[in-house]
Amino acid sequence: AQSVTQLDSHVSVSEGTPVLLRCNYSSSYSPSLFWYVQHPNKGLQLLLKYTSAATLVKGINGFEAEFKKSETSFHLTKPSAHMSDAAEYFCVVGGRGSTLGRLYFGRGTQLTVWP
Amino acid sequence: NAGVTQTPKFRVLKTGQSMTLLCAQDMNHEYMYWYRQDPGMGLRLIHYSVGEGTTAKGEVPDGYNVSRLKKQNFLLGLESAAPSQTSVYFCASSYEGLETQYFGPGTRLLVL
Repeated sequence: AQSVTQLDSHVSVSEGTPVLLRCNYSSSYSPSLFWYVQHPNKGLQLLLKYTSAATLVKGINGFEAEFKKSETSFHLTKPSAHMSDAAEYFCVVGGRGSTLGRLYFGRGTQLTVWP
Repeated sequence: NAGVTQTPKFRVLKTGQSMTLLCAQDMNHEYMYWYRQDPGMGLRLIHYSVGEGTTAKGEVPDGYNVSRLKKQNFLLGLESAAPSQTSVYFCASSYEGLETQYFGPGTRLLVL
C-alpha cells in the first residue's frame, strides 16, 4: 500500500529565509514521488517529481527535494522564500501494481511567508 | 492547448437535486480522474478511468457515478446531492499511469 505523511500542517517563514516542508512516504514498491503546489483558489501545479533517477530533484521556482530511501523521506526545500511562495503544498506518492495510475495525496502543508 | 477544463466553476444545489460535472482535456491523455478536496484532507480520489469506455472506483466513490464515453471527456454525476458532498472537485488527466497528472481549475459545489 502507498501513503504519505506530511509532518507539518502549517509552516511560517520570513521572506528570504529557507523553506523546509517535510514528507515521509510508505510504499511497497520503488516509489514515484511528487510535490504539487496550490495557490489560493487555483488548481494544482506540479513542482517536481522523482522517478528513480537522481535522488536530488530540482523543480520549478527554485524548489528541490531529496529522496532518502533509508529515511523514507522526500522533503521539499528552497534556499530563500519569496512572498509568492505562500500556498498549500502537497506531497504525493504514485500507485504501483493494481493501483498503477493512482496518486495518493498527503493532507497538505500551508506555507505562510512573512515580509 | 486549453489543457484540462471543468464546467461549471461554481454551483449551488439543494439536497436531493442532481447534477453533472464535465471535465474535458485536449492532450490526448488516456487516464482521467475525479478528486474531491476538503479542508485538512488533501485530495481524495472519487473515480478514475484508464481509457475510453472504462471507469473504476477510487477511495470515496459512494454517491457519485462517472462516464467516459469519449476519450477527451470525463463526467461526474451526483444523482441525489447531500450536504456531505459540499466540496471542491478537481479533474485531472495523464498520458499513462506513471506520468504527471494535469489538473483543471476546480468546481466549487455547495449543497444546502
